[in-house]
This record gives sequence, C-alpha cells and structure tokens, in this order.
Amino acid sequence: QVQPEQSGAEVKKPGASVKVSCKASGYTFTSYDINWVRQATGQGLEWMGWTNPNSGNTGYAQKFQGRVTMTRNTSISTAYMELSSLRSEDTAVYYCARAPIWSGYSNYYMDVWGKGTTVTVSS
Amino acid sequence: QSVLTQPPSASGTPGQRVTISCSGSSSNIGSNTVNWYQQLPGTAPKLLIYSNNQRPSGVPDRFSGSKSGTSASLAISGLQSEDEADYYCEAWDDSLNGVVFGGGTKLTVL
Repeated sequence: QVQPEQSGAEVKKPGASVKVSCKASGYTFTSYDINWVRQATGQGLEWMGWTNPNSGNTGYAQKFQGRVTMTRNTSISTAYMELSSLRSEDTAVYYCARAPIWSGYSNYYMDVWGKGTTVTVSS
Repeated sequence: QSVLTQPPSASGTPGQRVTISCSGSSSNIGSNTVNWYQQLPGTAPKLLIYSNNQRPSGVPDRFSGSKSGTSASLAISGLQSEDEADYYCEAWDDSLNGVVFGGGTKLTVL
C-alpha cells in the first residue's frame, strides 16, 4: 500500500496551531519529497510547500511563510505539517502528496496522495 | 485568483471528446512541464497526466495531454459517466519558486 496514511480530523480554536502527520509506507521515504496541498470546501487546490525527507530542506508558498513548518522523522517515515495562528479561513482538507526527487523542479509532479485530513477552525 | 487559468466548467455527452485548457506564463508552463489531476467527488486528487503527456500506469489511453508555449490541454476521448470529476492543471513556477495550480474545471457528463 503506497498511499500515505494521514492523521485524523482536528478541530481547533482561532489562534491555535495544528500539526498533521503523513506516514509513508511501501516505498523508500527519502526518495520522494512530501508536498502539502489544502482544499477548502468547494474550492480548488492550494499548494503550501514541500519538504525533502532526505535533507530536511523545505520550501514554502509565500502565503504561508512564517506560519507553516514542515518537518520529518526518517526513523518512522513520517512527515509533518504544522500551521500556526489558525483562523477560520484555514478550515480545509489538508493533503500530503509525494513527488519523485529525481524528477527535478522543471518536471515536478505529485504521483501519490494521502486521503486528506480535515482541519476545522472554529470558536 | 489562480496562477494557471482553466475554464470553470466543461461538459460532453457519452462517447464525445472534450478538451480542457490551461493557460499560464513563461515562468511556469513556458519553462516547465504540466501535470493534470483528476478529483472524483469526495476523494483525494489523483495524478492523471504528468510531464505534459505521460500517463501513469492504470490511466486509460482515453486521457491525453499536450503543451504548446504557455498553454496546455487535457483531452478526454470516448467520454464516460465515470469521468465526471474536477480536473486541475499544475506546474512548477520559477518566479514563485513553487507549485501552482489551475482553478479547476468541473466536467459534467450529460
């Protein structure tokens, strides 16, 4: 089973933080970047950033700079996305998706996606 | 507003051929390859086409992709009811140093 396993749904209050996990199995964890993409109800896909499980390097979309942190634990093949200072507009389904590191940025694609984690921000 | 521009909707009858366009700029589609994702209702996106015109294993050859300059297209031939879904184009953007998506196209099979 190559599909990553994501953590369960979360309900948070405005101003709080949320940490979503993405556990990889069935492939070499360090051979694929982990990307995070979110989708608000009825809206399109929004890319948040990526992490390279091998080096720990990250790249974030400008919109989330300063508010998002992507990390990984190679010993348990798990990537994490933490989003802070939550507001109601952050209510969405958060997906992790792997991208082959060897493809390079000019040929970058996400070939396997997790099922998503619903994060609800409400007072 | 999405960096890549797609029509919000498309439709066709069973057996028909439909195309979905995706327009970008020199920093994304003009410089890098385009990928397409299919999202069936209530499910996660699925890679449909990568590197402009490559199909992952298991994707029917009814689906094809092409790119010219700063635009790309997804074509679906022999349209089937199960093709009713949202379709997204995506590419790396060198100026933004990240991934950009189209706003998505909702395909309806009449």
